[in-house]
Amino acid sequence: AQSVAQPEDQVNVAEGNPLTVKCTYSVSGNPYLFWYVQYPNRGLQFLLKYITGDNLVKGSYGFEAEFNKSQTSFHLKKPSALVSDSALYFCAVRDDTGGFKTIFGAGTRLFVKA
Amino acid sequence: GAVVSQHPSWVICKSGTSVKIECRSLDFQATTMFWYRQFPKQSLMLMATSNEGSKATYEQGVEKDKFLINHASLTLSTLTVTSAHPEDSSFYICSARDLGLAGGRSYEQYFGPGTRLTVT
Repeated sequence: AQSVAQPEDQVNVAEGNPLTVKCTYSVSGNPYLFWYVQYPNRGLQFLLKYITGDNLVKGSYGFEAEFNKSQTSFHLKKPSALVSDSALYFCAVRDDTGGFKTIFGAGTRLFVKA
Repeated sequence: GAVVSQHPSWVICKSGTSVKIECRSLDFQATTMFWYRQFPKQSLMLMATSNEGSKATYEQGVEKDKFLINHASLTLSTLTVTSAHPEDSSFYICSARDLGLAGGRSYEQYFGPGTRLTVT
């Protein structure tokens, strides 16, 4: 069975500092990994995905994530945080066994202080 | 880019009535759509997978007679909450899988903006 863990309910970071939002996963086959962002009372916005290839994936708004197979992790990073990055971030996973069911982590709320 | 719309964006209804929420893929065809439910400050919980022309597949614990899903065309899926109760109040989000293969889009699912349902 697939599962996703986001160990931090909340991450606080000062504007201009680097940020990391953690995610670990478990799947039966090879993972397809995704990061989404959600602003209050809005749907999900796609940030980036890992399907195959380079372990470092670059996405929207300056975000990137690194796939680490040995640690089964897919942490979201940004070199310099902006106040406008404050939102709820979800990590999600799907496996390559043919199904298309995507499982979401519990979410991590990011607060960026000016 | 691929766009998924939901209608209505918010709805208030009285207990005991039924509410229909529409999910449309605007610029692509979607054989598969998904319905999620999100409680305040919580993650998205997959309710069901909707396949065009066939019955929906419901996740464990989701009452299929209460949450009726119809996927009548490649661009439209509907979720009807029957005999709604206050505990059904939630944020409902649909997503759609792009049927096309161009540019790797088939790996992605696109999310609608969500529908906030309040049952009084």
